[in-house]
Amino acid sequence: EVQLVESGGGLVKPGGSLRISCAASGFSFSRYNMNWVRQAPGKGLEWVSFTSTGSSYIYYADSVKGRFTISRDNAKNSLFLQMNSLRAEDTAVYYCARGGATNRDGFDFWGQGTMVTVSS
Amino acid sequence: SYVLTQPPSVSVAPGKTASITCGGNNIGSESVHWYQQKPGQAPVLVIFYDSDRPSGIPERFSGSNSGNTATLTISRVEAGDEADYYCHVWDSGSNHVMFGGGTKLTVL
Repeated sequence: EVQLVESGGGLVKPGGSLRISCAASGFSFSRYNMNWVRQAPGKGLEWVSFTSTGSSYIYYADSVKGRFTISRDNAKNSLFLQMNSLRAEDTAVYYCARGGATNRDGFDFWGQGTMVTVSS
Repeated sequence: SYVLTQPPSVSVAPGKTASITCGGNNIGSESVHWYQQKPGQAPVLVIFYDSDRPSGIPERFSGSNSGNTATLTISRVEAGDEADYYCHVWDSGSNHVMFGGGTKLTVL
């Protein structure tokens, strides 16, 4: 059974940093592109970042570029998002989502999300 | 960047057909995916590559894509279909994933 389990969310002050993780199981993690998607309270889905299977291709939404860093450890079946210079508008549930073999693929499995709150 | 436009809300009576649109410039040349999200839950993929259904998704869910509009169609709507629905496209021009703003489906 495919499982994606996010962790590491919490309350952080504006300007602070946080690293969230996604533990994958039930599939060959190294064969799939992975993404982070967030959802602010009461709002729609916003894509955050993409990493290809071997991290050769990495992309970010304009709203987080230069502040967030996506990474993965295929040996440990884990996906990470390092978030720096956090702002109130980064407050959201952060989901990791499994892509496919190409960047055009849909996201067929999602974690349950981890809540990040940026507030003083 | 590429913009996807969805109606904020669609209402339908039980047993009828609901159509949720996703507008974008020449979206018919793109691959469109659709997600269902119920309150407090993670999104679920219901249609991929315009019209394919993942295993476990009822045949009542179908999709089409042509010209400037992609459409998610839900036939014989049930109360359990009430949810938010989002379309998704990969924008190769910006190397960004784009989501539509979401459509809240209300079953009357």
